[in-house]
Amino acid sequence: VQLVESGGGLVQPGRSLRLSCAASGFNFDDYAMHWVRQAPGKGLEWVSAISWNSGNRGYADSVKGRFTISRDNAKNSLYLQMNSLRVEDTAFYYCAKGNVSVAGTFGDVWGQGTMVTVSS
Amino acid sequence: QSALTQPASVSGSPGQSITISCTGTSSDVGSYDLISWYQQHPGKAPKLMIYEVSKRPSGVSNRFSGSKSGNTASLTISGLQAEDEGDYYCCSYAGSSTFEVFGGGTKLTVL
Repeated sequence: VQLVESGGGLVQPGRSLRLSCAASGFNFDDYAMHWVRQAPGKGLEWVSAISWNSGNRGYADSVKGRFTISRDNAKNSLYLQMNSLRVEDTAFYYCAKGNVSVAGTFGDVWGQGTMVTVSS
Repeated sequence: QSALTQPASVSGSPGQSITISCTGTSSDVGSYDLISWYQQHPGKAPKLMIYEVSKRPSGVSNRFSGSKSGNTASLTISGLQAEDEGDYYCCSYAGSSTFEVFGGGTKLTVL
């Protein structure tokens, strides 16, 4: 069971970035998925979640209207499209496996994280 | 979306027990039995230690236990070991608009 994030990097404020999370070892399309971030030296912040069929999506207030979560069950992949990036979006971004319900427990499996740095 | 309140740090000696509190509101901790606790070591991804208030995932030591009373959840670690040192975060479901909210984290030091 594995999650592998990719797509992080250095980006200027106001620009966009798309993160990906490749899942393996479990039935990806049975589970909700989440994104969680951690700014350097700071705590965990829940970012977004998506239900197994993409019918239910949620966002933290801090990213609402700028970030879009999506998934492709045929490719066992989760995505996070990040637009209008701000300096305060600088963080390690983790994807985490959810439960059968988007409201349930998440995080029995985590990726290794991908670093996003927003700076001019 | 206000973060749940945790103590910044706790400490204990090997073999002792410690408890970390996580205080929310009637909109999150007080309304749902969907409280999780995560352990994080420096430079590592978080690890799920407790879910649904008091359940332990397979492989997690029974030295870890969780509980909830009103708007406050608690994580207790008994028989402290050096490997328990790290950061601990609580997280609660907070409804279909807010979804999830984390605590600010607690640094556990094993003396």
